[in-house]
Amino acid sequence: QLQLQESGPGLVKPSETLSLTCTVSGGSISSSSYYWGWIRQPPGKGLEWIGSIYYSGTTYYNSSLKSRVTLSVDTSKNQFSLKLTSVTAADTAVYYCARLYSDSWTTKFDYWGQGTLVTVSS
Amino acid sequence: EIVMTQSPATLSVSPGERATLSCRASQSVSSNLAWYQQRPGQAPRLLIYGASTRATGIPARFSGSGSGTEFTLTISSLQSEDFAVYYCQQYNNWPPALTFGGGTKVETK
Repeated sequence: QLQLQESGPGLVKPSETLSLTCTVSGGSISSSSYYWGWIRQPPGKGLEWIGSIYYSGTTYYNSSLKSRVTLSVDTSKNQFSLKLTSVTAADTAVYYCARLYSDSWTTKFDYWGQGTLVTVSS
Repeated sequence: EIVMTQSPATLSVSPGERATLSCRASQSVSSNLAWYQQRPGQAPRLLIYGASTRATGIPARFSGSGSGTEFTLTISSLQSEDFAVYYCQQYNNWPPALTFGGGTKVETK
């Protein structure tokens, strides 16, 4: 059974960089047809897609966050990571990592991590 | 950018009743639409993809319909575990973009 687990600091100061890692177990991050993504959810609000990465390093980002986001992948560790720069209180959210299955017919987030709350505060 | 609008924001339904949730796209997304369920304190769970195909393990009381710009998620007879927030998500212009709707909360009447 595939599992994803987010890790990283739960508190980040304003203007600093938020860094999170997602560790994938029970399957290979290098499998074809799968992208790996980050989605966030501010307290009491809806879901926002941040970006997705393929094991080759190809990335796609939400245009609203593109200037501040970098995704990377480490296939040797079966991990992928998120960096979000110049954070403000508006970046306070639960951050989820998820597997994105994509082929010619469909695209779907079929496995999710449990999520990790990141608070931006001094 | 494709904007996804869900209605109503909150739906009050009694257990055993039918719930009908709507999702509208700002432009056609064909059938490239998924639905997710999020229970309190949990991660979202995939319910439907391709507008109408149930994901593995999803009960038959969940059904999706629609194409183009108008979509519906129907829960035929609400069970206690179905009271949750539901999100639609389009993937018509993937890559490079994915968009979620704002969500509909299904609460007990």
